[in-house]
Amino acid sequence: EAGVAQSPRYKIIEKRQSVAFWCNPISGHATLYWYQQILGQGPKLLIQFQNNGVVDDSQLPKDRFSAERLKGVDSTLKIQPAKLEDSAVYLCASSLGRSSLAKNIQYFGAGTRLSVL
Amino acid sequence: AQSVSQHNHHVILSEAASLELGCNYSYGGTVNLFWYVQYPGQHLQLLLKYFSGDPLVKGIKGFEAEFIKSKFSFNLRKPSVQWSDTAEYFCAVIPRFKAAGNKLTFGGGTRVLVKP
Repeated sequence: EAGVAQSPRYKIIEKRQSVAFWCNPISGHATLYWYQQILGQGPKLLIQFQNNGVVDDSQLPKDRFSAERLKGVDSTLKIQPAKLEDSAVYLCASSLGRSSLAKNIQYFGAGTRLSVL
Repeated sequence: AQSVSQHNHHVILSEAASLELGCNYSYGGTVNLFWYVQYPGQHLQLLLKYFSGDPLVKGIKGFEAEFIKSKFSFNLRKPSVQWSDTAEYFCAVIPRFKAAGNKLTFGGGTRVLVKP
């Protein structure tokens, strides 16, 4: 079974530039998550989609971050404009999204490491 | 807001030593508990999980964890580590009420280095 795919793996930009990350979840997974992992910390949820609808975006800095999942499969996360403190690894995860708890395990991609200079 | 605390940021030990990583969470209701592992250069992988039932759960690669409800703890253990257990370990929690969705709250992680 193919895992969660993310691209690019690395990105270096200057502050005030924009950047976009792409995620392709595991086939059949209805729920998709974007996490931000700052160096030395655990991942923090930014946004959660159920199919193409947003379930939770309470920790997404909406003045500069946006995300979409138009067809309920792939997703993109955008930062515009980037700040120095946005340097982090951006992780995408997916889960089946069913009501059964045993089927809501989250599977993670390798992440995109963003450096903002 | 709920939080997850991992007591040690870094652990260094020799092969064949025993490992125990502490994890405490601050939520009074029913929770689902997880340990994830991230090997160098790899993605986060599920090591083990607890939903209900026997509080002693066994995961992959000889790891086990014990849920102690009265202590709000979910400590990870392995009796004898190998060099290949060098990784970063994350404890995570999902409160089990509908409004929580499936939102994982992670601890800060513990970097484990096993010396050959």
